[in-house]
Amino acid sequence: DVKVTQSSRYLVKRTGEKVFLECVQDMDHENMFWYRQDPGLGLRLIYFSYDVKMKEKGDIPEGYSVSREKKERFSLILESASTNQTSMYLCASILSGGSGNTIYFGEGSWLTVV
Amino acid sequence: AQKITQTQPGMFVQEKEAVTLDCTYDTSDPSYGLFWYKQPSSGEMIFLIYQGSYDQQNATEGRYSLNFQKARKSANLVISASQLGDSAMYFCAMRGYAGGTSYGKLTFGQGTILTVHP
Repeated sequence: DVKVTQSSRYLVKRTGEKVFLECVQDMDHENMFWYRQDPGLGLRLIYFSYDVKMKEKGDIPEGYSVSREKKERFSLILESASTNQTSMYLCASILSGGSGNTIYFGEGSWLTVV
Repeated sequence: AQKITQTQPGMFVQEKEAVTLDCTYDTSDPSYGLFWYKQPSSGEMIFLIYQGSYDQQNATEGRYSLNFQKARKSANLVISASQLGDSAMYFCAMRGYAGGTSYGKLTFGQGTILTVHP
């Protein structure tokens, strides 16, 4: 069974802390994504990666960075967490050249910054 | 640039009745795909249905059908015979193919919360 796993479902962090959100996929996919979900705004793309060590900004990269040191793992980093980064974060992956609907999502990570 | 618009923040339907969730889109990509996802309160994204822009027929998957009107740029989801378990957030999304690769990036709408009443 294919799987995208987000290591932390619920986190509470303090303002200014460095936060790591980890995502691991077991499908040997090249492309991985981090989205942020907020009420009334839907999901917005933060960053994506199309290969190891390769990354590109999405629509809302400010305040975030990412790391892709291994093909199966894509990390989202909040260098200095702020309250406006309280949100639900979703990781996704797809095989490069994959057909239309073969995009897989993790279960989401709810982050609260206090 | 791509844009997806879902104008219904919330919808209510009686159990066993049909409901239509609206989705309009805008893109300059010559080819694209349209998705609908269901998100229960647990947060997981459940893929429901996919429509390619060049598909001749509207997509159907069990109780789900996609009413694709290309000229109107709309891709409404129709759920027939609603069930209590259909209560969830529903997202419309698009993937563009602009000659090269889109890397699988999706653009999402704002979402519609569907509540099914017994």
